[in-house]
Amino acid sequence: GDSVTQMEGPVTLSEEAFLTINCTYTATGYPSLFWYVQYPGEGLQLLLKATKADDKGSNKGFEATYRKETTSFHLEKGSVQVSDSAVYFCALIDTGNQFYFGTGTSLTVIP
Amino acid sequence: GAGVSQSPSNKVTEKGKDVELRCDPISGHTALYWYRQSLGQGLEFLIYFQGNSAPDKSGLPSDRFSAERTGGSVSTLTIQRTQQEDSAVYLCASSPSRDTQYFGPGTRLTVL
Repeated sequence: GDSVTQMEGPVTLSEEAFLTINCTYTATGYPSLFWYVQYPGEGLQLLLKATKADDKGSNKGFEATYRKETTSFHLEKGSVQVSDSAVYFCALIDTGNQFYFGTGTSLTVIP
Repeated sequence: GAGVSQSPSNKVTEKGKDVELRCDPISGHTALYWYRQSLGQGLEFLIYFQGNSAPDKSGLPSDRFSAERTGGSVSTLTIQRTQQEDSAVYLCASSPSRDTQYFGPGTRLTVL
């Protein structure tokens, strides 16, 4: 069946450091891929998405590229800020209606 | 415009009691999802509504869980005879189209 695996946290970085959060997936079809973010005390928000192979989703300085050959959708940001502290979830939707989410990666950015 | 709202925001109940959780989706969104987020876990799909079609109930963990959506809008998730393992944050999301979800703030359920 379909599934998403993302790197376990927590991740702690200093401000302006480079961020990578790994995400790999298993899918039977051609899924759309997503990163959601959950800031402290808030609901999940869509951060970025990519709907086909080699697409790059980007938003707020974050990027992720849909790599079909490695079944990956790693999240990257060149210079993190304290305000990026949150929990990040990788997700996919495949041929059906069900979204599959990873377990989430907690990021803390320290000044 | 208004986002997805859920009520109550917190619910504490005793084991064996029934609870009802409410979700008000964004007006006009045809699809509605319920998820459960347990501590240290990802989001677990529970149920999906799309327009007037029969709901996809494949994620409901037991027959103690049920949900309905009235008039294609408000949805209620009911948990009967609650157990301690039901303690979690229950999230609702509405969607205007495939590939897009807008989440509510969630209801934190604690079963004592």
